[in-house]
Amino acid sequence: GQQVMQIPQYQHVQEGEDFTTYCNSSTTLSNIQWYKQRPGGHPVFLIQLVKSGEVKKQKRLTFQFGEAKKNSSLHITATQTTDVGTYFCAGRWGNNRLAFGKGNQVVVIP
Amino acid sequence: GAGVSQSPSNKVTEKGKDVELRCDPISGHTALYWYRQSLGQGLEFLIYFQGNSAPDKSGLPSDRFSAERTGGSVSTLTIQRTQQEDSAVYLCASSSRDTQYFGPGTRLTVL
Repeated sequence: GQQVMQIPQYQHVQEGEDFTTYCNSSTTLSNIQWYKQRPGGHPVFLIQLVKSGEVKKQKRLTFQFGEAKKNSSLHITATQTTDVGTYFCAGRWGNNRLAFGKGNQVVVIP
Repeated sequence: GAGVSQSPSNKVTEKGKDVELRCDPISGHTALYWYRQSLGQGLEFLIYFQGNSAPDKSGLPSDRFSAERTGGSVSTLTIQRTQQEDSAVYLCASSSRDTQYFGPGTRLTVL
């Protein structure tokens, strides 16, 4: 079935630095969502991107949807310890169900 | 209203026993998903219910796994003859207009 690939799978980030996590599909997506799962918690919805080239910001988080609607990125600036967790992207193709990537596990080094 | 709830929060069982995990979705949500997550791993899709349509069971790992959704609301995931490799956190999510709202999960330990 269709799937989204997330890279990298793991990241160690120094507190205060910026980092980016990526999500790629081989075929055009209808939309893409991002979720965050804190250690010991459950995934929580962050954002949905629908339009080609769309960019959305939430404080230090910037989400982008590629022009071809095949890739997306999440960029976090000035990383804080509260940013620790696993970031999942989830893609939808047509009317199919949402499919989650394997996640990017982020460790923040104080 | 309340979010998605799951019960029990923890379940310890012996190999070979059957278990039932319950999910109470957000009222009015037509879509319901079950996922399995092993420690430090991603979300493994199990089954998807959408309204009155036939469920998408394509993620169920074996015929020991089954799920029902009664009256378009509460769902039960049943695992028969549990094996040690079934140990994981089982997450339920309900959805309205695409966004998935996850429950806290049931941690299943098979001894």
